[in-house]
Amino acid sequence: AQTVTQSQPEMSVQEAETVTLSCTYDTSESDYYLFWYKQPPSRQMILVIRQEAYKQQNATENRFSVNFQKAAKSFSLKISDSQLGDAAMYFCAYRRTGNQFYFGTGTSLTVIP
Amino acid sequence: NAGVTQTPKFQVLKTGQSMTLQCAQDMNHEYMSWYRQDPGMGLRLIHYSVGAGITDQGEVPNGYNVSRSTTEDFPLRLLSAAPSQTSVYFCASSYVGTGIPGANVLTFGAGSRLTVL
Repeated sequence: AQTVTQSQPEMSVQEAETVTLSCTYDTSESDYYLFWYKQPPSRQMILVIRQEAYKQQNATENRFSVNFQKAAKSFSLKISDSQLGDAAMYFCAYRRTGNQFYFGTGTSLTVIP
Repeated sequence: NAGVTQTPKFQVLKTGQSMTLQCAQDMNHEYMSWYRQDPGMGLRLIHYSVGAGITDQGEVPNGYNVSRSTTEDFPLRLLSAAPSQTSVYFCASSYVGTGIPGANVLTFGAGSRLTVL
């Protein structure tokens, strides 16, 4: 079974500081995709960043970067220079071959001014 | 470009009633899917489709039916609603494959909040 685990239900960070959200997943496959999605209070799901498993280089998108450790099945999200607009629920997601997506239970991020 | 459109945004049903949540996308995405979001549970896959005429079950398919008669539309049917189906439902779509910009990245609709009394 494929599962995604986010062990931090809640996190907080001071504005302008850096925070890391954790995600681990369970799979027996070698070819898959990993994602971080953001869900603000508006409920809209917004893609933050994605990583293809065959790529060794960690993905980055402006202030957002990941630490992808394939052997450890770990996929953490680092947010640098945190802004008030980063406050949201963050979901880690895994896409296996066969087009099934699995999501973690989410981490609620609070940004303290 | 509308993206993924879900209707209705809110719905209240009584136990045993039936209804259909509509989902339409105008991006010519092959892949479409339905999820339910419950507190503390994240998003769970209900059903998905990789093209017209093709559907498959996800993690939590019981109590739900889907069909895919066109590339654009992927309705989710509740034949006999139960209180356990109270949830927020999301439709999402994507291109499938490699070498296509945005492939395998889900684009979500705005969600539909369903309450079953």
